[in-house]
Amino acid sequence: QKEVEQNSGPLSVPEGAIASLNCTYSDRVSQSFFWYRQYSGKSPELIMSIYSNGDKEDGRFTAQLNKASQYVSLLIRDSQPSDSATYLCAVSASGGSYIPTFGRGTSLIVHP
Amino acid sequence: EAQVTQNPRYLITVTGKKLTVTCSQNMNHEYMSWYRQDPGLGLRQIYYSMNVEVTDKGDVPEGYKVSRKEKRNFPLILESPSPNQTSLYFCASSPDGPSTDTQYFGPGTRLTVL
Repeated sequence: QKEVEQNSGPLSVPEGAIASLNCTYSDRVSQSFFWYRQYSGKSPELIMSIYSNGDKEDGRFTAQLNKASQYVSLLIRDSQPSDSATYLCAVSASGGSYIPTFGRGTSLIVHP
Repeated sequence: EAQVTQNPRYLITVTGKKLTVTCSQNMNHEYMSWYRQDPGLGLRQIYYSMNVEVTDKGDVPEGYKVSRKEKRNFPLILESPSPNQTSLYFCASSPDGPSTDTQYFGPGTRLTVL
């Protein structure tokens, strides 16, 4: 059984701070890793993908992957109230696997 | 505008009454899929399709059917809905699978089965 674990939160940070969201996964053959943002009542929106160990930066977002530790994280710098949402971690294996596994999501609250 | 559309957005029905939720995308994507999202359980894939006439089961296919007669459409069929299928349903599409930077989700369909 493939599992993707996230702390459900809520994670509360002040405006301007760094928000750190974490995700662990159980399937060692996982090759593709994604972070989605989901506002309440809305559909998930892909914000970051990462495929190799290390850091990947896109604007205020940085994804970090450590395959040895089976750990992926998302850092949000200079957090804004508009970043308040649920963040979903998703993992897919390579080699023709078309069934991604999603975590249950971490609720982030950025307060002014 | 590139988009995935779903209809209806909200549906209340009764146990056993067949229903279809439509999904359509205008991006000529090969891959389409259906998910359900439940509190505490996250997003789980129901079925997916790699192309016309090619469909396969996801993690939770029981009680659902799909078809892919045209590339743009991927309807979800509940032949005999039951209360445990009350959920929020999302359709998604991408060029070639979920392991991609370009997976788009539809706006969701909130289904209640009484």
